[in-house]
Amino acid sequence: QVQLVQSGAEVKKPGASVKVSCKASGYTFTSFAMHWVRQAPGQRLEWMGWINVGIGDTKYSQKFQDRITITRDTSATTAYMELSSLRSEDTAVYYCTRDVGDYYQNPWGQGTLVTVSS
Amino acid sequence: EVVLTQSPGTLSLSPGERATLSCRASQSISSTYLAWYQQKPGQPPRVLIYDASSRATGIPDRFSGSGSRTDFTLTISRLEPEDFAVYYCEHYGSARELTFGGGTKVEIK
Repeated sequence: QVQLVQSGAEVKKPGASVKVSCKASGYTFTSFAMHWVRQAPGQRLEWMGWINVGIGDTKYSQKFQDRITITRDTSATTAYMELSSLRSEDTAVYYCTRDVGDYYQNPWGQGTLVTVSS
Repeated sequence: EVVLTQSPGTLSLSPGERATLSCRASQSISSTYLAWYQQKPGQPPRVLIYDASSRATGIPDRFSGSGSRTDFTLTISRLEPEDFAVYYCEHYGSARELTFGGGTKVEIK
């Protein structure tokens, strides 16, 4: 079945970077775009950006434009999201989710908790 | 940028009751780009409805979506115990950017 499995929880200090991975299986990895969405404690879902997995093009939310990088390794069927210059407000659960192509996302990874604390 | 406002923030109902959740867009949007998700504690979101009214695979028919332009509704005809969760509406933008509403929590009364 289609599955997205993310890397484990991370604890980072302010100013550091974090790289979260998202391993895809059960479908042709290069045929679907991948989004990254985060959810801070008690907050709404917040879109961060997406990658055209086939050709590697990306688009980022203006909010994160200068400190996010989304990449993919097609041989490993894995997408990555790296966020730099971390601050306490970046403490959140980060999700990858597949763009089905019919204007919704399915499935979602299990989420990766990133905690930013000194 | 489209802003989605969901109401109410919390809905307190009993199993078997009908739930009606609202999602209002700040500007007219195509219903094609409106989806609904369910999220339970400690779990990722799960798609329920896309295209404003199409049920995703495996979603029970007690869930239905409707609406157009700026006003959209998710209805749960008879609440089952597993339906108590948070529900989000989502707009899929022209450049694939995603916007989410603030969520409606459906809790047991």
